[in-house]
Amino acid sequence: AQTVTQSQPEMSVQEAETVTLSCTYDTSENNYYLFWYKQPPSRQMILVIRQEAYKQQNATENRFSVNFQKAAKSFSLKISDSQLGDTAMYFCAFMKAGNTPLVFGKGTRLSVIA
Amino acid sequence: DTGVSQNPRHKITKRGQNVTFRCDPISEHNRLYWYRQTLGQGPEFLTYFQNEAQLEKSRLLSDRFSAERPKGSFSTLEIQRTEQGDSAMYLCASSPGRGDTEAFFGQGTRLTVV
Repeated sequence: AQTVTQSQPEMSVQEAETVTLSCTYDTSENNYYLFWYKQPPSRQMILVIRQEAYKQQNATENRFSVNFQKAAKSFSLKISDSQLGDTAMYFCAFMKAGNTPLVFGKGTRLSVIA
Repeated sequence: DTGVSQNPRHKITKRGQNVTFRCDPISEHNRLYWYRQTLGQGPEFLTYFQNEAQLEKSRLLSDRFSAERPKGSFSTLEIQRTEQGDSAMYLCASSPGRGDTEAFFGQGTRLTVV
């Protein structure tokens, strides 16, 4: 069975600064995908960024980038130039290949402070 | 396309009553997933469908829970004889089911059992 661990229950960052959220996972699979989802207060979960395990290059999406270390089973999210709208719960998620159900971590609550 | 739609958004029920939630996935999405999210936790997988076929049920899904997707379009999740421990956010997500793509989430149904 796969597990996802997010060791930072809460974090805060000043507006315009950079913050990194940590995620580690455990799996014996070789073909899988990793995601970061954002869940703003009282709003639906939306995808921030995805990483295919077979790709060595780290994914980037505008201000969001990941540091994917496959051997260490680590998948951290870096948010640059933090904005007030980035305030949300962030969930790291694992998906075995084949559109199987996601396995989520417990989340990190990020607060961006003006 | 308006995305994944869930109804109702909120439901308050008395312990012992039955409740039913509905999820309308994104049009032409073959995969439909149900998750449960309690306060301060990440979503936990309950069950999922490929078209009308239920592919997997989590052990979290006791015999009081049943899910259907009769025509491969919308899905319903029914909880019989509700208990206070059933209080949670119930999330629905869908994906195309072809290729390994991310899931798109609805806004959820918040259930409170009193």
